[in-house]
Amino acid sequence: DGGITQSPKYLFRKEGQNVTLSCEQNLNHDAMYWYRQDPGQGLRLIYYSQIVNDFQKGDIAEGYSVSREKKESFPLTVTSAQKNPTAFYLCASSVQGGVDTEAFFGQGTRLTVV
Amino acid sequence: AQSVTQPDIHITVSEGASLELRCNYSYGATPYLFWYVQSPGQGLQLLLKYFSGDTLVQGIKGFEAEFKRSQSSFNLRKPSVHWSDAAEYFCAVGPPEYGNKLVFGAGTILRVKS
Repeated sequence: DGGITQSPKYLFRKEGQNVTLSCEQNLNHDAMYWYRQDPGQGLRLIYYSQIVNDFQKGDIAEGYSVSREKKESFPLTVTSAQKNPTAFYLCASSVQGGVDTEAFFGQGTRLTVV
Repeated sequence: AQSVTQPDIHITVSEGASLELRCNYSYGATPYLFWYVQSPGQGLQLLLKYFSGDTLVQGIKGFEAEFKRSQSSFNLRKPSVHWSDAAEYFCAVGPPEYGNKLVFGAGTILRVKS
């Protein structure tokens, strides 16, 4: 089945450590996105990528980094510079960035800093 | 900058009753508008979207939404709610030049009582 796979589902990190969240899609989509979800705040865009080897910052990129070396993969690294990393992280993809295409979401990764 | 307001954090309706979830947006031009649904701990599923044309949009699961330019609103409706509709609902806007770079509202949690 085609879809977006995020792993792991739950992740615990000690303060001061970097951690990488995985996002893989087999939908042959060009565009991929990372969102952060906090209770009562909806989803906020962290980074997005329209094509391999290119990505742009979203609204809350500070403390995060991404790479897009392969079309199907868009990993997100939460660095120690992120002040409040505990959140639910959602990855999405779409055929392209155009408005007439639907964004498909993964099942999310819940990151907890301990 | 664009923004989305969902005035109701929680709504409780009886099974079989009608439902309306409110969404107001702020945007310089006509945005592209979306409603998504999220079950606990899961990703988002697209219910419906509006790009242009008929201002009453039909979606999946019996939902519909009406775009009202004069009120900057895009309210979601369902004539008869089922217990399985209990979830969190997000309204989102996307800029015309990149529709899937979404700005989300804070969400409305729907509870259905039997």
